[in-house]
Amino acid sequence: EDQVTQSPEALRLQEGESSSLNCSYTVSGLRGLFWYRQDPGKGPEFLFTLYSAGEEKEKERLKATLTKKESFLHITAPKPEDSATYLCAAAYRDDKIIFGKGTRLHILP
Amino acid sequence: KAGVTQTPRYLIKTRGQQVTLSCSPISGHRSVSWYQQTPGQGLQFLFEYFSETQRNKGNFPGRFSGRQFSNSRSEMNVSTLELGDSALYLCASSPRLGGYTFGSGTRLTVV
Repeated sequence: EDQVTQSPEALRLQEGESSSLNCSYTVSGLRGLFWYRQDPGKGPEFLFTLYSAGEEKEKERLKATLTKKESFLHITAPKPEDSATYLCAAAYRDDKIIFGKGTRLHILP
Repeated sequence: KAGVTQTPRYLIKTRGQQVTLSCSPISGHRSVSWYQQTPGQGLQFLFEYFSETQRNKGNFPGRFSGRQFSNSRSEMNVSTLELGDSALYLCASSPRLGGYTFGSGTRLTVV
């Protein structure tokens, strides 16, 4: 069965404490792996697209990486404003897309 | 440049009624997708339209339907509303696969 699983479900970090969020996927014919950030009451905001294993993308304190089975979103020295829900999604055969349920990240000042 | 616009932002309906939600994509984006988001199930794909044709459909009952107009604006309709249909409905547009820009959503409450 095609699925995307994110872990942990929730994560609390102190400001400046680096960590990683995991997105494991089992889909056939991966066409792209996407990361989004969602703030309460708002729609998801696009962060990154990764297309092939070994690819990395960076934006400010965030870095996304991709292997053949999973993707990681590394957060370096996070700040309270990085608190949000982070979603990953896999696009695969026939232009289908599946979202994970997200990781709720809370950065304590 | 204007983002994806969804109307209305909030809606309260009674069980058994029907509802129509509207989405105006970013200018030039021909793909429009709809999602249902609930705390328990996360983001679930409803359907995608491209150039007025439904390209993909998720696993939702026939009460959920949609359409896209020639100007790429899209509507989704839910008939015979149930309490479980209460959710945030999100629309996303894209010029290509996956690079979606989401709207702020319509919060539907069914009572």
